[in-house]
Amino acid sequence: SQQGEEDPQALSIQEGENATMNCSYKTSINNLQWYRQNSGRGLVHLILIRSNEREKHSGRLRVTLDTSKKSSSLLITASRAADTASYFCATDGGSYIPTFGRGTSLIVHP
Amino acid sequence: DAGVIQSPRHEVTEMGQEVTLRCKPISGHDYLFWYRQTMMRGLELLIYFNNNVPIDDSGMPEDRFSAKMPNASFSTLKIQPSEPRDSAVYFCASSPFPGMDGYTFGSGTRLTVV
Repeated sequence: SQQGEEDPQALSIQEGENATMNCSYKTSINNLQWYRQNSGRGLVHLILIRSNEREKHSGRLRVTLDTSKKSSSLLITASRAADTASYFCATDGGSYIPTFGRGTSLIVHP
Repeated sequence: DAGVIQSPRHEVTEMGQEVTLRCKPISGHDYLFWYRQTMMRGLELLIYFNNNVPIDDSGMPEDRFSAKMPNASFSTLKIQPSEPRDSAVYFCASSPFPGMDGYTFGSGTRLTVV
């Protein structure tokens, strides 16, 4: 399957700490995306990183991409209770149509 | 823009009944996607449209599922007859172009078939 796989499946941290989630995939990609899903809601797009990019930032979010290792990471700095959600990576397997991993469940304790 | 609008938010139906889920994409988005989310299988792509034309329906689980997009502002996903294993959250998403931008998801329809 070309879908990415997030690691860890679950992460529990204290407010103010950094949270790092990883995504590994199997086939070449055009781009990789990260999404957040709050309980009972739809997914919200966070960042899209293209295969020729190595790092992107958006506010407290930092995404890295290593195409040689077929992996990406999402770093949330200075986490807040409101960051509690599931985080998904989506890879396109070269087709521009992404498929989603199973997600990392992040809990940030106040 | 109000975003991607799905209806209903919740649907409870009896096995064997027909279920129709509705989606209004963001104006100007040429791509529309239907996904299904379950604990067991995660988020699965069922079908997607480009300019109202179905491009890939290989994710549709069986003939009981059908999807249409009669115009750029409306799409339906129909299950007939419904079965308990169809219980899931169904999401619609739209995008101007998947390679350039992310998807905008609707809030989903939680379907329960009893």
